[in-house]
Amino acid sequence: GDSVTQMEGPVTLSEEAFLTINCTYTATGYPSLFWYVQYPGEGLQLLLKATKADDKGSNKGFEATYRKETTSFHLEKGSVQVSDSAVYFCALTANNFGNEKLTFGTGTRLTIIP
Amino acid sequence: DGGITQSPKYLFRKEGQNVTLSCEQNLNHDAMYWYRQDPGQGLRLIYYSQIVNDFQKGDIAEGYSVSREKKESFPLTVTSAQKNPTAFYLCASSMGRRFGETQYFGPGTRLLVL
Repeated sequence: GDSVTQMEGPVTLSEEAFLTINCTYTATGYPSLFWYVQYPGEGLQLLLKATKADDKGSNKGFEATYRKETTSFHLEKGSVQVSDSAVYFCALTANNFGNEKLTFGTGTRLTIIP
Repeated sequence: DGGITQSPKYLFRKEGQNVTLSCEQNLNHDAMYWYRQDPGQGLRLIYYSQIVNDFQKGDIAEGYSVSREKKESFPLTVTSAQKNPTAFYLCASSMGRRFGETQYFGPGTRLLVL
């Protein structure tokens, strides 16, 4: 079945450091890929998405590129801020023609130190 | 402002009791979803509904029930048959069931057992 594997956390970085959170997936066909962010005590917010190979999703300084050859969708940001501290989830929907459920990774907790 | 509301924010369940979590959306979305989040895990799908008066079981439907009498509302009942109900419950909606459709999440309800 479909699955998402995320980099184990927690991840702790200093402010202005470069961020990479790894995400790889297994799916039949050509899935759509998502990154969601969850701030403490809140629901999930869509951060970015990509729907086909080589697409780059971007938002708020974060980027991720859909790499079909390596089945990856790594999240990157060039200079993190304290306000980026949150849990980040990689997710996919596979083209199951009527069963468009989101499959999530386990999440990566990110803490940014001033 | 359009969005998804969930209530209450915290809910306490006594042994043998059924409790109902509310989810309302004013986004005019056709599809709605319920997820369960446990510490250190990704989200798991409980139930989903593509259209009024129709819903399907997700991956972990046992011990839960739902209804979809109105487009805007998708309440979740945690029954006494659910032996481990303590979790964070998230409701989501999407415009339809087209491939790659983005799901939007509510703020969540935390259920605790007394």
